[in-house]
Amino acid sequence: DQQVKQNSPSLSVQEGRISILNCDYTNSMFDYFLWYKKYPAEGPTFLISISSIKDKNEDGRFTVFLNKSAKHLSLHIVPSQPGDSAVYFCAASDGSGNTGKLIFGQGTTLQVKP
Amino acid sequence: DVKVTQSSRYLVKRTGEKVFLECVQDMDHENMFWYRQDPGLGLRLIYFSYDVKMKEKGDIPEGYSVSREKKERFSLILESASTNQTSMYLCASSFAIQETQYFGPGTRLLVL
Repeated sequence: DQQVKQNSPSLSVQEGRISILNCDYTNSMFDYFLWYKKYPAEGPTFLISISSIKDKNEDGRFTVFLNKSAKHLSLHIVPSQPGDSAVYFCAASDGSGNTGKLIFGQGTTLQVKP
Repeated sequence: DVKVTQSSRYLVKRTGEKVFLECVQDMDHENMFWYRQDPGLGLRLIYFSYDVKMKEKGDIPEGYSVSREKKERFSLILESASTNQTSMYLCASSFAIQETQYFGPGTRLLVL
């Protein structure tokens, strides 16, 4: 049972336009969400996160929006750049204990065309 | 900067071999994790450890075991490698009270 879902396996956008990556979750106990970016042959790197007490968090060109009622979060990249081409994973935590366990989605491959 | 290193970037093994994948982190993190990444399936948790000598099963522990004798080192063991264990293996670590995990570069394992 996939608790964190990224239903779009891939997304292609033009350089300079907005990229919107979506993520849905089923567990209402999740209270912290993260986005990771992964280039081929490298490990994922942390991009941005959001706590469930907020509905928006912004860091430069990257903004994450959280809609708790819809159990949906999205990552906006504006403007998109060719170097943003990578696989993006969303992840969620239910904050139980101190194990730091995360549940990851399947990933969305973003291609930004010059 | 947090550094997580993995012993090999690429490995080729034969079916039935015992395989050791090692991960070392230099940030005194309490938590360490092993994932595998497969196309269309994302990152799936194999095992994790929240302290030395402590381990917990993740979502797909079958066919794997782990060892954590020192805080900085977390080993993944494939007792008898099978072709369906061909995958990208990723190690990560984090502080006990923080959710952000830091990943190593990954080991691409091919089992023939």
